[in-house]
Amino acid sequence: ETGVTQSPTHLIKTRGQQVTLRCSSQSGHNTVSWYQQALGQGPQFIFQYYREEENGRGNFPPRFSGLQFPNYSSELNVNALELDDSALYLCASSKDRGQETQYFGPGTRLLVL
Amino acid sequence: GDSVTQMEGPVTLSEEAFLTINCTYTATGYPSLFWYVQYPGEGLQLLLKATKADDKGSNKGFEATYRKETTSFHLEKGSVQVSDSAVYFCARRVSGGYNKLIFGAGTRLAVHP
Repeated sequence: ETGVTQSPTHLIKTRGQQVTLRCSSQSGHNTVSWYQQALGQGPQFIFQYYREEENGRGNFPPRFSGLQFPNYSSELNVNALELDDSALYLCASSKDRGQETQYFGPGTRLLVL
Repeated sequence: GDSVTQMEGPVTLSEEAFLTINCTYTATGYPSLFWYVQYPGEGLQLLLKATKADDKGSNKGFEATYRKETTSFHLEKGSVQVSDSAVYFCARRVSGGYNKLIFGAGTRLAVHP
């Protein structure tokens, strides 16, 4: 069984640019959640996708957007990057939106200069 | 609002010492509770969970008991190893249509020989 994978592992962007991060959910999982983990802090919920639709959103501005594809993989897009967007972005998948256990990928570390 | 509070780190212990990492939460009702572990440079791994009051989660020698009276879910291990050095996150589930986790700030554990 393949676990959650994310790409790229590291990324450097400059302020104002746009970035796309990718996530492949664990086999058999149809729900993907994205979290932002700033340095020295716990992860913060960005949003969740279930069967290709956004199913819940945290306190993040609209320039954070996402997609989920028919194979349940997902993308996180961030427009107009700000310095404070520098963080580890974690993707987590679960079997269903009601299944409470989430399995996390290794994350993408984004640095905004 | 909903929150999770963990004891501040770092926690520094000698090998074979007893470990306690405190975690308390605020919530209405009885949410499922989790401990995740993050090793250097990696994503989060589920360590253990408890879904209802008085449940005890356990894994790899770690234990935590869901105490509704004190709204706590403290992590314990009887004898730590150097390989347990990591950051530990306590989390609670927010239910209601989607599956969101609220994390504490994390507690760094350093175990030395």
